[in-house]
Amino acid sequence: QSALTQPASVSGSPGQSITISCTGTSSDVGSYNLVSWYQQHPGKAPKLMIYEGSKRPSGVSNRFSGSKSGNTASLTISGLQAEDEADYYCCSYAGSSIMFGGGTKLTVL
Amino acid sequence: EVQLVQSGAEVKKPGESLKISCKGSGYSFTSYWIGWVRQMPGKGLEWMGIIYPGDSDTRYSPSFQGQVTISADKSISTAYLQWSSLKASDTAMYYCACSGSFGAGDYWGQGTLVTVSS
Repeated sequence: QSALTQPASVSGSPGQSITISCTGTSSDVGSYNLVSWYQQHPGKAPKLMIYEGSKRPSGVSNRFSGSKSGNTASLTISGLQAEDEADYYCCSYAGSSIMFGGGTKLTVL
Repeated sequence: EVQLVQSGAEVKKPGESLKISCKGSGYSFTSYWIGWVRQMPGKGLEWMGIIYPGDSDTRYSPSFQGQVTISADKSISTAYLQWSSLKASDTAMYYCACSGSFGAGDYWGQGTLVTVSS
């Protein structure tokens, strides 16, 4: 099993929008609408930001949104803020298993 | 409020055994899946496996099958991750996480740092 593919890093200025992609296969991302996204600040536990592809847990800012097309899922953060600087991981159900992406470091310039 | 509280940091020698714990509160322990995730120093998240305490249904990532054992004691709302013979490469932060459906986790514990060194 290979990890889902994410860009190693992305960056943006405050107020801008960025998108992080997550590419899987027809056995995981492409087959299920069960992609989630996690935010992890240094030294902290991951935090769920998006589940089931596009749903936001209570308390998560509506600046975060998720989508999917084919085997690729995406996380978009609009109106970038300094506090958004963190690592982001996608995750997909893969039939009795779960797969994570390699993670993307978001830098807010 | 859903809370997962993990046991404290461990320092072990190669070849030793270890069992770390994750105690759930604020929800129905037997109705949520609890999984374990490894994060090696400076690296990404890796899904290890998951258990449904209600019926002890357990699944493992192929990468961790046979390397660790996941279990749960529903009488004390606690899940466990154990090793029979640790290796230096097991040095990592280990997180537990619970979710209402089979997934990586809606709620996460604070992590348990395991250091294996001779």
